[in-house]
Amino acid sequence: GNSVTQMEGPVTLSEEAFLTINCTYTATGYPSLFWYVQYPGEGLQLLLKATKADDKGSNKGFEATYRKETTSFHLEKGSVQVSDSAVYFCALTRGDSWGKFQFGAGTQVVVTP
Amino acid sequence: GAVVSQHPSWVICKSGTSVKIECRSLDFQATTMFWYRQFPKQSLMLMATSNEGSKATYEQGVEKDKFLINHASLTLSTLTVTSAHPEDSSFYICSASAGTGVNEQFFGPGTRLTVL
Repeated sequence: GNSVTQMEGPVTLSEEAFLTINCTYTATGYPSLFWYVQYPGEGLQLLLKATKADDKGSNKGFEATYRKETTSFHLEKGSVQVSDSAVYFCALTRGDSWGKFQFGAGTQVVVTP
Repeated sequence: GAVVSQHPSWVICKSGTSVKIECRSLDFQATTMFWYRQFPKQSLMLMATSNEGSKATYEQGVEKDKFLINHASLTLSTLTVTSAHPEDSSFYICSASAGTGVNEQFFGPGTRLTVL
């Protein structure tokens, strides 16, 4: 079956540091890949997505590239801010199971001033 | 962006009672809504998919008689946990799809259920 594995948190960083959150997946076929972010007290929000191999999703300074050869979708940001403190979820869906997300466990990121 | 609300945000109930959780899409019509369950430090697990006006489709291992889902309108879906027990304590999250993007869903803030 499908699965998503992401690095455990919490990840604690200083402001302006470089952030990487690793995400790897197992799926048959060609899934779409997503990163969602959950700020304290709020619902999950779509951060970025990629629907095919080699696509790069980007938003708010975050980037992730769909790597089929390594089945990975690592999230990166070059210079984090305190406001980036949140829980980040990697997820996938398959075209034949529209809307059925498979989520990773989530990675908490804490950015200190 | 589209907003999805849940009510209540948290609830504590006694074992054996039933609890209803509402999920509303505030500024769009949601043809499909999803219910997830999240255990501490674990990922969201899809419980069921509901389409307006039809019966919900439950994921394998989810008891349909335990978790009653009703999608009465294009802006409201409810999850009722019947005869709740302590093992039902969890964080329940709904999401709604407006069908505007590839697999894009809008998530509610979640409901924390504690069964004593």
